[in-house]
Amino acid sequence: DAKTTQPNSMESNEEEPVHLPCNHSTISGTDYIHWYRQLPSQGPEYVIHGLTSNVNNRMASLAIAEDRKSSTLILHRATLRDAAVYYCILRDPNSGGSNYKLTFGKGTLLTVNP
Amino acid sequence: NAGVMQNPRHLVRRRGQEARLRCSPMKGHSHVYWYRQLPEEGLKFMVYLQKENIIDESGMPKERFSAEFPKEGPSILRIQQVVRGDSAAYFCASSAIPDGLNTEAFFGQGTRLTVV
Repeated sequence: DAKTTQPNSMESNEEEPVHLPCNHSTISGTDYIHWYRQLPSQGPEYVIHGLTSNVNNRMASLAIAEDRKSSTLILHRATLRDAAVYYCILRDPNSGGSNYKLTFGKGTLLTVNP
Repeated sequence: NAGVMQNPRHLVRRRGQEARLRCSPMKGHSHVYWYRQLPEEGLKFMVYLQKENIIDESGMPKERFSAEFPKEGPSILRIQQVVRGDSAAYFCASSAIPDGLNTEAFFGQGTRLTVV
């Protein structure tokens, strides 16, 4: 499975934008990039996913590099409720029928300061 | 529409006892997945079930652990003769279809098992 690399932790101030990076230099052409987050004492929560083009939804934006070797999750205005561990995960439709598995790394712990 | 429901939220067991963790998937979802999160670690896949069938149990420890998803009722993750190393948060997720590409998995709030 292609691997992702994320910083262990990042800090942000409330109301400011946050850019959470993810490196995936061994990504295959068919891997989708998914982001989940886990709030304290909660289960993971889907945030966004994409393949090649940048994506926007009500929670965040996903910017994907042209060579797809990296991506950035963008929270446009961080709130205290965005404090969580953010996971960048690759999912491959050609993974022998096991693409339902989510492989979580250690993620990035985002701290939001008031 | 209720989300994925797990109970109990917290479970304390003495070494050697049995632990039974329950998961009711979201309405309309027939695919259930169990994950385990050890302290300070990421979640690890354990097992994938459909109604009355175990599809993939490649992440389950070979002994003491079992899972089921009966035709009626919740999915159950059962741990026999618990040991301290079983202390972890156990999360259940469900989806409408197993294809992971454009289908998000919905997770429950987890059961935190403490073995004393």
